[in-house]
Amino acid sequence: QKEVEQNSGPLSVPEGAIASLNCTYSDRGSQSFFWYRQYSGKSPELIMSIYSNGDKEDGRFTAQLNKASQYVSLLIRDSQPSDSATYLCAVSGGGADGLTFGKGTHLIIQP
Amino acid sequence: DVKVTQSSRYLVKRTGEKVFLECVQDMDHENMFWYRQDPGLGLRLIYFSYDVKMKEKGDIPEGYSVSREKKERFSLILESASTNQTSMYLCASSSLGQYTGELFFGEGSRLTVL
Repeated sequence: QKEVEQNSGPLSVPEGAIASLNCTYSDRGSQSFFWYRQYSGKSPELIMSIYSNGDKEDGRFTAQLNKASQYVSLLIRDSQPSDSATYLCAVSGGGADGLTFGKGTHLIIQP
Repeated sequence: DVKVTQSSRYLVKRTGEKVFLECVQDMDHENMFWYRQDPGLGLRLIYFSYDVKMKEKGDIPEGYSVSREKKERFSLILESASTNQTSMYLCASSSLGQYTGELFFGEGSRLTVL
């Protein structure tokens, strides 16, 4: 059984600071890694995907992947109150077999 | 704008009833998925389909079946609803290949079984 682990939080970060979200996964054969954001009462939406070791930046978001350590992280720079949400880490084996999701980290940005 | 539409946002059913949850996507995606989301348990995959008339079991298929007669439509069926199937059901779609994990979700169907 593939497992994806996240700290459930809540993680409280002051506005303007860097929020750091972490995720570990059990299946060493995993190929694709994703971060989804879910606002309360809404569906998840994709914010970042990463497929190779290293960093990937998109605006205020940076995804980091370390396959040797089976570790994925998401950094949010200049955090805004609108970033307050639950962030879901998801992992795929690369085929059309569906994603395995972590249970999510609840992030609160304090004004 | 891309869209995944779930037919019912809220449903209340009685134990033993047959329940149909419908999902339609307008992105010409090959892959479609049904997840359920429960507090403390996260998102769990029920069934998925990568082509018309094809279906694959996910992690928790027991008590569910699916139908995909057309590329754009993926239905989840609860043959005999039970109270432990009270949940938020989320449909998603994605394209083939590299972007297969980039899911687009519908708004969800909250099912209550009494």
